[in-house]
Amino acid sequence: AQTVTQSQPEMSVQEAETVTLSCTYDTSESNYYLFWYKQPPSRQMILVIRQEAYKQQNATENRFSVNFQKAAKSFSLKISDSQLGDTAMYFCAFMNPLSGNTPLVFGKGTRLSVIA
Amino acid sequence: EAGVTQSPTHLIKTRGQQVTLRCSPISGHTSVYWYQQALGLGLQFLLWYDEGEERNRGNFPPRFSGRQFPNYSSELNVNALELEDSALYLCASSLARDRVDEQYFGPGTRLTVT
Repeated sequence: AQTVTQSQPEMSVQEAETVTLSCTYDTSESNYYLFWYKQPPSRQMILVIRQEAYKQQNATENRFSVNFQKAAKSFSLKISDSQLGDTAMYFCAFMNPLSGNTPLVFGKGTRLSVIA
Repeated sequence: EAGVTQSPTHLIKTRGQQVTLRCSPISGHTSVYWYQQALGLGLQFLLWYDEGEERNRGNFPPRFSGRQFPNYSSELNVNALELEDSALYLCASSLARDRVDEQYFGPGTRLTVT
């Protein structure tokens, strides 16, 4: 069974600075997808970024980028130019696609606070 | 376009009672997933429905059950409630299960068992 570990329960960062959230996972599969989801205090989860394991290039979405190290089974999220609206719980998630969508396996989350 | 909706928003039940939570997926989405978010445990997969059928279930006892209706909306039923069932229950939907697609989450139902 796959597992996802987020070793930082809480983090804080000054506005406009850069922060990196860590995620490691364990799987014997070679083809899979990794995601970062954001859950602001209002609770609705939204997708931040996704990475397909067979793609060597790290995914980027505006201020959000990942450092995907497949051999090390590491998938960290970097937030540049942090904004107050980035304050949220961040969840790393894994999907073994098999023949398509399957349920996500989540880490326990990292609570990020952006300080003015 | 309306997002995933869930009802009710909050619910308070006593131990031993039964509860039904409801989820309406985004229009056109056929897959519905239920997750439990208990304090300190992250999100744990409960159930997955697609095209009206249960496709997979997580490591939860049989008193957690559900169904998906012809319009793809879904219900999650929890019987014989226990204190540890207190959690945020999140529903997510996605397009057809034969390709990888983003799962879109609803706002959740906060269940408190006393």
